[in-house]
Amino acid sequence: SAVISQKPSRDICQRGTSLTIQCQVDSQVTMMFWYRQQPGQSLTLIATANQGSEATYESGFVIDKFPISRPNLTFSTLTVSNMSPEDSSIYLCSVVGGGVTEAFFGQGTRLTVV
Amino acid sequence: EDQVTQSPEALRLQEGESSSLNCSYTVSGLRGLFWYRQDPGKGPEFLFTLYSAGEEKEKERLKATLTKKESFLHITAPKPEDSATYLCAVRSITASKLTFGTGTRLQVTL
Repeated sequence: SAVISQKPSRDICQRGTSLTIQCQVDSQVTMMFWYRQQPGQSLTLIATANQGSEATYESGFVIDKFPISRPNLTFSTLTVSNMSPEDSSIYLCSVVGGGVTEAFFGQGTRLTVV
Repeated sequence: EDQVTQSPEALRLQEGESSSLNCSYTVSGLRGLFWYRQDPGKGPEFLFTLYSAGEEKEKERLKATLTKKESFLHITAPKPEDSATYLCAVRSITASKLTFGTGTRLQVTL
């Protein structure tokens, strides 16, 4: 399985500011995803990070709010823009690769917006 | 649209008391059903993948089974360290993403 490093692990941010979360994988992977997990809830897919092209967003999520980059097969970033308290969640990076169907997850970024 | 429903929402067991968690799913062609364990403040940890009805997988005290409509995660003689939230997810043959259920919070007490 891939080793996934997510940074930062947690942060407290002021409303109206932006935070960029990094996801680094120790091997090249086919697909990278970003999920949000609100307190007490399950995982909701934000977008699929596509290498060298624009991310594919799920319904309810837009690029202006959650810009995503994926410059290569091992790295991606998610930015949470113009934050409000409703953005307080755990944000998770997930990868699929190596000919398997299962996804592996980073440890998550716990974001609190005040 | 793919859907996953897990039950119960929460389960409290005494150490050694075996039980099962349920995951009912609707998917347009199943590519895989996945079980994960999630501890508080951490990302989900992969447990099992099941691909077709009748398949079973085991790991220590956990056994996952699959039918055409649901999957069960059987926990035999659980220990307190098995306490966690267990998540079920599916991937359809037409999509790359996972659809998750809301999870079962398991607490195992002495």
